Amino acid sequence: GNSVTQMEGPVTLSEEAFLTINCTYTATGYPSLFWYVQYPGEGLQLLLKATKADDKGSNKGFEATYRKETTSFHLEKGSVQVSDSAVYFCALSDRSTGNQFYFGTGTSLTVIP
Amino acid sequence: NAGVTQTPKFQVLKTGQSMTLQCAQDMNHNSMYWYRQDPGMGLRLIYYSASEGTTDKGEVPNGYNVSRLNKREFSLRLESAAPSQTSVYFCASSEPSARIQYFGPGTRLLVL
Repeated sequence: GNSVTQMEGPVTLSEEAFLTINCTYTATGYPSLFWYVQYPGEGLQLLLKATKADDKGSNKGFEATYRKETTSFHLEKGSVQVSDSAVYFCALSDRSTGNQFYFGTGTSLTVIP
Repeated sequence: NAGVTQTPKFQVLKTGQSMTLQCAQDMNHNSMYWYRQDPGMGLRLIYYSASEGTTDKGEVPNGYNVSRLNKREFSLRLESAAPSQTSVYFCASSEPSARIQYFGPGTRLLVL
């Protein structure tokens, strides 16, 4: 079946530090992969996506590369800011299962000045 | 363009009470979803509607019912609330061709 496993949190970093949040997936078909971000008290927002192997999604300084050989989609940012403090969710959508979304458990990030 | 809206934002219920969570989207999307979010569990799909007139169970449907009233609206009903249903509920919509889900702001439900 389909599933997403992401790095346990919480993660606390100093401003300007490098961020990596690990995500691996299991899928029966050819999924699209996503990172969503949830700011305190809000719903989830799409951060970036990749629809096929070797695609790189990027937005707001965040990047993730779709690695089919390692079934991974790790989120990275070179220099985090206090405003990046949020919960990050890795997700996949697979046409073979009716475009349902499968979410990881979320990783809480706190950036301190 | 409001996107996905949900009402109410917060609700407190007593065990056994019923309530309906409302969701509406103005993006003309065919598909709509209800999730619950619990600490350490991520988002779990309760029900979804691939198109107007159809609904299907997700991962955790027990204790819930849904109605796809029209293309815009998708409601979630708790017939007899239980403390285990204390959670944050999110509605989402999507267009399958785009494969992106858009989320509402959530409803925080506390069942005493």
